[in-house]
Amino acid sequence: QKEVEQNSGPLSVPEGAIASLNCTYSDRGSQSFFWYRQYSGKSPELIMFIYSNGDKEDGRFTAQLNKASQYVSLLIRDSQPSDSATYLCAVLGGNQFYFGTGTSLTVIP
Amino acid sequence: NAGVMQNPRHLVRRRGQEARLRCSPMKGHSHVYWYRQLPEEGLKFMVYLQKENIIDESGMPKERFSAEFPKEGPSILRIQQVVRGDSAAYFCASSPPTGAFTIYFGEGSWLTVV
Repeated sequence: QKEVEQNSGPLSVPEGAIASLNCTYSDRGSQSFFWYRQYSGKSPELIMFIYSNGDKEDGRFTAQLNKASQYVSLLIRDSQPSDSATYLCAVLGGNQFYFGTGTSLTVIP
Repeated sequence: NAGVMQNPRHLVRRRGQEARLRCSPMKGHSHVYWYRQLPEEGLKFMVYLQKENIIDESGMPKERFSAEFPKEGPSILRIQQVVRGDSAAYFCASSPPTGAFTIYFGEGSWLTVV
């Protein structure tokens, strides 16, 4: 069974700091990886996707993928209070997107 | 998630009634996924559909739950004889038939069974 593991947190960082969110997955054959942000009571919103080993940057967000170690991470630079949300890691396996349970992030002003 | 339309946004049903949740995918998208999210839990895959076809329903409970995506109209998730444990947020997502394989979520339907 394919699994996606995330530390549920909560993770607290001060405003302006770097938030680091981690995710591991069990299916070594997985090729596509996604990060979603979900505010309380709202639907998940796609932040980034990454397919290749290494880093992918988009504004304040950087996704990092290491297929050999089967982990994917999300770095948020210059964290803002508006970044406070639950971050969901997702892995595409076959026809399904497998989601972790999410990491709750709080950015303290 | 702009463009994936779900309704109703909130639905209250008594135990034993039926719940019908509707989802219209983004324009140009022909793949629909349904996920369930229980309070304080992650997203659980339920079913993946294309027009007139169920591709993968491995996440659907064996009884009381069904889904369809007809040639015309929205995808429908149907829950018969609801029980309190069905209370959850049900999210629909859609993806395009080709190209970058990502999914975009609708706003969700919150079902409360009383």
